[in-house]
Amino acid sequence: GQQLNQSPQSMFIQEGEDVSMNCTSSSIFNTWLWYKQDPGEGPVLLIALYKAGELTSNGRLTAQFGITRKDSFLNISASIPSDVGIYFCAGPHANDYKLSFGAGTTVTVRA
Amino acid sequence: GAGVSQSPSNKVTEKGKDVELRCDPISGHTALYWYRQRLGQGLEFLIYFQGNSAPDKSGLPSDRFSAERTGESVSTLTIQRTQQEDSAVYLCASSLESINTGELFFGEGSRLTVL
Repeated sequence: GQQLNQSPQSMFIQEGEDVSMNCTSSSIFNTWLWYKQDPGEGPVLLIALYKAGELTSNGRLTAQFGITRKDSFLNISASIPSDVGIYFCAGPHANDYKLSFGAGTTVTVRA
Repeated sequence: GAGVSQSPSNKVTEKGKDVELRCDPISGHTALYWYRQRLGQGLEFLIYFQGNSAPDKSGLPSDRFSAERTGESVSTLTIQRTQQEDSAVYLCASSLESINTGELFFGEGSRLTVL
């Protein structure tokens, strides 16, 4: 299947810091998605990207769809305690409906 | 309810027993997915239902796994003769149709522990 590689695997950050994580693939994706999973919950969609080069913001979150269509990054600005969780990148297989997920980046915020 | 509902939220079972997990999708969502999430790992696709079409079972890891869906409503995932490696959180998700926008709505999951 199409594999998504996320980095870093985990991070400890100070409250107020900016956070950056990325996702790469050996295959081209036409859509990049970023989900967040809070402890004990299912993942929730944060940002969806549909066009190469697209830069999209949602509050303190900013995500970009790489020009090569093989990568994407997610930035969180001025982190707060509720940013704790696991962030997954995901993308649908070409002409398909199944989402492939990365292994996730676990974010822990130190107050 | 307004969201995807899964039950049980936690299930502890002995190796070799059968388990059944239930998912109640958002009303009106025709597409339903089951994913498996092992500890510290990403989500692994298991099976997909879309309306009355034949389900895509390509992600089921063995013939011990099966799933059914009644029309466009409740789905059950059955694991027969459970093994310890089946321990995971089983997540159900639904969407209005096949993924166009990419937004799947997930339930809180059913955590399965096989002793």
